[in-house]
Amino acid sequence: GDSVTQMEGPVTLSEEAFLTINCTYTATGYPSLFWYVQYPGEGLQLLLKATKADDKGSNKGFEATYRKETTSFHLEKGSVQVSDSAVYFCALMDTGRRALTFGSGTRLQVQP
Amino acid sequence: EAGVTQFPSHSVIEKGQTVTLRCDPISGHDNLYWYRRVMGKEIKFLLHFVKESKQDESGMPNNRFLAERTGGTYSTLKVQPAELEDSGVYFCASSPDPATVRTGELFFGEGSRLTVL
Repeated sequence: GDSVTQMEGPVTLSEEAFLTINCTYTATGYPSLFWYVQYPGEGLQLLLKATKADDKGSNKGFEATYRKETTSFHLEKGSVQVSDSAVYFCALMDTGRRALTFGSGTRLQVQP
Repeated sequence: EAGVTQFPSHSVIEKGQTVTLRCDPISGHDNLYWYRRVMGKEIKFLLHFVKESKQDESGMPNNRFLAERTGGTYSTLKVQPAELEDSGVYFCASSPDPATVRTGELFFGEGSRLTVL
């Protein structure tokens, strides 16, 4: 079945540091890939997405590239801020499904 | 516009008791989903409603869980009797139509945390 594997957290960084959160996936079809973010006290919200190989999703300074050859969708940001502190979830939706498959989430803590 | 609302935000019950979680989706959203995150692990799909009909309930763990969506508006998820392994955060999400779901944008509530002692 489909699955998503994320690096375990928490990830603790200083403000303005470079961020990478690794995500790899297993799927039987041609999935779309997503990053969701949950800020403290809020629901999950879509951060960015990519629907086919080599697509790059971007939003709020975050980027992720759909790499079919390595089945990866790593999240990156060049300079994190304290306000980026949250839990980040990698997810996929496989062809023929109408439900998302999530990873276990990675907590990011950014210190001033 | 109000977002997806869930309550209670936190419920603490003893093993064997019953708990009912409620979700109010965004007005006009026909698609409603329940997900669960147990012990900080991955968020897992439970079921999907289209209006009042269950479109996919393949993620429901067992018959102790009962979801309803009477009238196609709000939904309830009842756990009866609750077991220790049911502890976790139950998320509800909605979307206006399946096409939106295929692009991945579900609108989530803050979740209901269930603790079974």
